Amino acid sequence: AQKITQTQPGMFVQEKEAVTLDCTYDTSDPSYGLFWYKQPSSGEMIFLIYQGSYDQQNATEGRYSLNFQKARKSANLVISASQLGDSAMYFCAMREKNNAGNMLTFGGGTRLMVKP
Amino acid sequence: DSGVTQTPKHLITATGQRVTLRCSPRSGDLSVYWYQQSLDQGLQFLIQYYNGEERAKGNILERFSAQQFPDLHSELNLSSLELGDSALYFCASSVHRDNSPLHFGNGTRLTVT
Repeated sequence: AQKITQTQPGMFVQEKEAVTLDCTYDTSDPSYGLFWYKQPSSGEMIFLIYQGSYDQQNATEGRYSLNFQKARKSANLVISASQLGDSAMYFCAMREKNNAGNMLTFGGGTRLMVKP
Repeated sequence: DSGVTQTPKHLITATGQRVTLRCSPRSGDLSVYWYQQSLDQGLQFLIQYYNGEERAKGNILERFSAQQFPDLHSELNLSSLELGDSALYFCASSVHRDNSPLHFGNGTRLTVT
């Protein structure tokens, strides 16, 4: 079974509008963390935002916020006021506490395209 | 700049050959991870080292091996290369805390011809 599912292979958004990128996860571990990364066409992986399973509030980082719904096992990324430079692949990832290591498991990604 | 350095940036080689990818982690990070990103497989975890010791293994082929040296740099060795090994190979590093993100290098683009 997929641990991280991103159901939107590609999305368009108009510049200056907000956009939500979906992420659902599957774990039986009560302690876990969720991460979002951005991969522009140049290829580097850029860390955006983190949400811990025990965090009471949704994480925010500048124009990025996380809509964390624990009971639904979803951790959607919200980008406000989209900019042309936001066009990229976005990956959701999870770290489970019970892993031997503390690697991240990644979803398949969503390609976001911002229209001028 | 993530502080993680990977060399080389690009590598073109023939099937059956052997290559070595190198990674220097961020200063202070003891954990190093290797990931493979191919078009049809997404980002796949290969292996993790912590302070010189193997910590976790993912979908790493037997033809691949890695190590982390006392100065914490790491090398990923790929042998008997096949066309399907063509991919972007990332190294990442982190401190060993639950909420610490992985900091990725810029990757090595391997093309096997």
